[in-house]
Amino acid sequence: GEDVEQSLFLSVREGDSSVINCTYTDSSSTYLYWYKQEPGAGLQLLTYIFSNMDMKQDQRLTVLLNKKDKHLSLRIADTQTGDSAIYFCAEVSSPLNAGNNRKLIWGLGTSLAVNP
Amino acid sequence: DVKVTQSSRYLVKRTGEKVFLECVQDMDHENMFWYRQDPGLGLRLIYFSYDVKMKEKGDIPEGYSVSREKKERFSLILESASTNQTSMYLCASSFPPNYEQYFGPGTRLTVT
Repeated sequence: GEDVEQSLFLSVREGDSSVINCTYTDSSSTYLYWYKQEPGAGLQLLTYIFSNMDMKQDQRLTVLLNKKDKHLSLRIADTQTGDSAIYFCAEVSSPLNAGNNRKLIWGLGTSLAVNP
Repeated sequence: DVKVTQSSRYLVKRTGEKVFLECVQDMDHENMFWYRQDPGLGLRLIYFSYDVKMKEKGDIPEGYSVSREKKERFSLILESASTNQTSMYLCASSFPPNYEQYFGPGTRLTVT
């Protein structure tokens, strides 16, 4: 079945780059997402990438997509203490006859700790 | 600006009580979702709805029911709350073609 995997923890120094990795199984996924969750809050969409793209950049965020290996990564440049959060990777579920009622398949989240 | 609101941020209920969690979105989205989030288990889908009065079971529907009488409102019902339903509950909505989900702030439910 569909599955999304990501490592559970990452620790970086303030000012360094962070790279959070994710693998997925559904090769027909059209969109892949990165969400951020700060403590005690809901999830906030950070960015997404369409499956016909290899890379997307948005200020300090760079998303890389390797469709052959079904691997997605999120790079945060110049990581700040405010970037400490849980980061979730997700893909759109694409079962046959899903129509418009599609759900997301989620990874368990990567907890990013930024040390001063 | 996109807005998903949940009726309570924190809720404390007793075992056996009937609990209603409400979610409202102002974006005219067809799809709405209820998740629970527990440490180490990520987000688990309880139910989702893709239209008024339509619902589908998610991965962990046991012990829960839902109601969607109006497009903007999706309610999660715990018929008889139990201590193992203590959790953070998150509501979300989405629309095609991107299906990105917009989340409410969450309700932290404690059942004693």
